[in-house]
Amino acid sequence: GAGVSQSPSNKVTEKGKDVELRCDPISGHTALYWYRQSLGQGLEFLIYFQGNSAPDKSGLPSDRFSAERTGGSVSTLTIQRTQQEDSAVYLCASSPFWGETQYFGPGTRLLVL
Amino acid sequence: RKEVEQDPGPFNVPEGATVAFNCTYSNSASQSFFWYRQDCRKEPKLLMSVYSSGNEDGRFTAQLNRASQYISLLIRDSKLSDSATYLCVVKSNTGKLIFGQGTTLQVKP
Repeated sequence: GAGVSQSPSNKVTEKGKDVELRCDPISGHTALYWYRQSLGQGLEFLIYFQGNSAPDKSGLPSDRFSAERTGGSVSTLTIQRTQQEDSAVYLCASSPFWGETQYFGPGTRLLVL
Repeated sequence: RKEVEQDPGPFNVPEGATVAFNCTYSNSASQSFFWYRQDCRKEPKLLMSVYSSGNEDGRFTAQLNRASQYISLLIRDSKLSDSATYLCVVKSNTGKLIFGQGTTLQVKP
């Protein structure tokens, strides 16, 4: 079946602009995660959603970052007033349930000029 | 101290060599352990889970030492296609996956 998809695959934006990144998880997966990976660094957990429960936002680096998951499926990560240090690959993953094996999307490469 | 620590490498080995990576974790209550593989400019993919008794999948062997809080991955008879970054992943007692920085392997002909 279809894997996790993300769009756009690449995004170049100017400092101060807002960006929206989209994630379509594997159908039927109740858990959805967002990570950030900077060049040469490990994965940094940002936020996760599990079913209808309140999301765990503990990894969001600032209040400029927010995420939504509509209808228990598609998720959008929004970064407001982007800064150059926001440049990274943003990876989305989903799993059948929280804590199970995660399947990653191809990521969105964000470059803030 | 990072929750999951790995030697970033790179490890440069010739084809056919045996190479081992270690990873240490700080939370003794961690529940599960995994190795993920990440190719250049690609997303991470699950390579194998790590069980207390050790487990093998073809040329790959994973071991867990709970007393010393480290995990290892052994690759025998390295292939060019094994070149990638190997991520050590620990599932905490809260269910969250914690990723190490990754160890880069470069297999040379």
